[in-house]
Order: sequence, then structure tokens, then C-alpha cells
Amino acid sequence: NAGVTQTPKFRILKIGQSMTLQCAQDMNHNYMYWYRQDPGMGLKLIYYSVGAGITDKGEVPNGYNVSRSTTEDFPLRLELAAPSQTSVYFCASSYVGTGGTDTQYFGPGTRLTVL
Amino acid sequence: EDKVVQSPLSLVVHEGDTVTLNCSYEVTNFRSLLWYKQEKKAPTFLFMLTSSGIEKKSGRLSSILDKKELFSILNITATQTGDSAIYLCAARSGNTGKLIFGQGTTLQVKP
Repeated sequence: NAGVTQTPKFRILKIGQSMTLQCAQDMNHNYMYWYRQDPGMGLKLIYYSVGAGITDKGEVPNGYNVSRSTTEDFPLRLELAAPSQTSVYFCASSYVGTGGTDTQYFGPGTRLTVL
Repeated sequence: EDKVVQSPLSLVVHEGDTVTLNCSYEVTNFRSLLWYKQEKKAPTFLFMLTSSGIEKKSGRLSSILDKKELFSILNITATQTGDSAIYLCAARSGNTGKLIFGQGTTLQVKP
């Protein structure tokens, strides 16, 4: 299993540009999450999904959009990049339900800089 | 509002010291508390705690949960330079898989 994969690893955007951060998991997890982590801070939940076709906002959803058309993929879209979105973005997944645990497995992260 | 608070925010010790990291939480319909270690990459899972008073151990690391006082501690004995990392605490709220993270404790272990 590859676990949780994210692309790209690094990206520099200009203000107002758009991009999509890709996330995929091959563990058949039902829940997927997007977090951002600013320097010296913990993780802030942006959006999460409890299954294909179902998404919900986290703590800091403004400026982002998500979709979950398949169990495996959970892309995060930035429509109009702003300097405040400079951060490291982590995707995670977990299996929630009978026999599942609360453990979230994290991808390697995407470092995004908006100039 | 659900929140998780960790203390101290940063800590510098020498190899061989014992450290205790604290995590307090106020979370609606609390389900479990998790500890993660984060080096210069993604967080990796350490422990999940659901019951009060039952210590979980893994080598030199141990953790315990107090559901009455709403806190957890992570102990590291005989610290090594490889223990240098950010330690994140997270609480799971309600019936969803959402985790609320604390701000993390940055531990630096000097030789």
C-alpha cells in the first residue's frame, strides 16, 4: 500500500492564481481530511469528507473548495490564491466505523507559497 | 467551542532527561485522544487513549488519560536527540472522525 499520497510536494503561486492539491489513499478509508499547518502552529482542519459525495467544512474553509467523487481521491481547490494561504497542507484519511480506529494517516504534505 | 490546549509550547532538555507533555481538552461528546509525533514531515501516530487511568506504553514513551479532569500527559523517559520533534495532541469529538488539534509542543533534546 502506498498509504496517503499528495502532489505536488512544493508549489509557488502568484496572488489570484488557482490550483488543485491532489490527495489519494489506497487503504479503503471512508474519511478523508485536509489540514493546513502554519509555522509553529498545530493543524487546522479545512474540509473533511465522510465518504464519496459527502463533504463538510472544518475550522478554516474560506478560500478553499473540495470534492469527493471517489473513495480514493480528495482534491483541494484554491480558486484565488492569497498570501494568507501560504502554509503546509496535509491530507489524511481514517476508517471510522465498526472495527475502525480514530487513527488518521497523513500524507507527506504540500508546501505552498503565495507571493 | 471545542478546543485542545497543549503545554508547554516548547521545551529544551538534555539527553537522559525525562519530560512530561500536557494536553487539556474541552470537546463536545469526547470520544478519544490521540498523540502524534511530527518531525520535518507528516505527523506519525503514537497513541490513542479512550479510557481513563489506563497507561499506554511504547518503549520510552507512555501516555495516560484523565477523563474526569479532561487532560492527558505524554511521558518520555531517558530522552534521546531523536526524540526532538513537535508532539501533537488531538481530541476526537462526537460521532464524526473530526480531530481537534492542539498547537503542539516543540521538544528539543540536546546532546
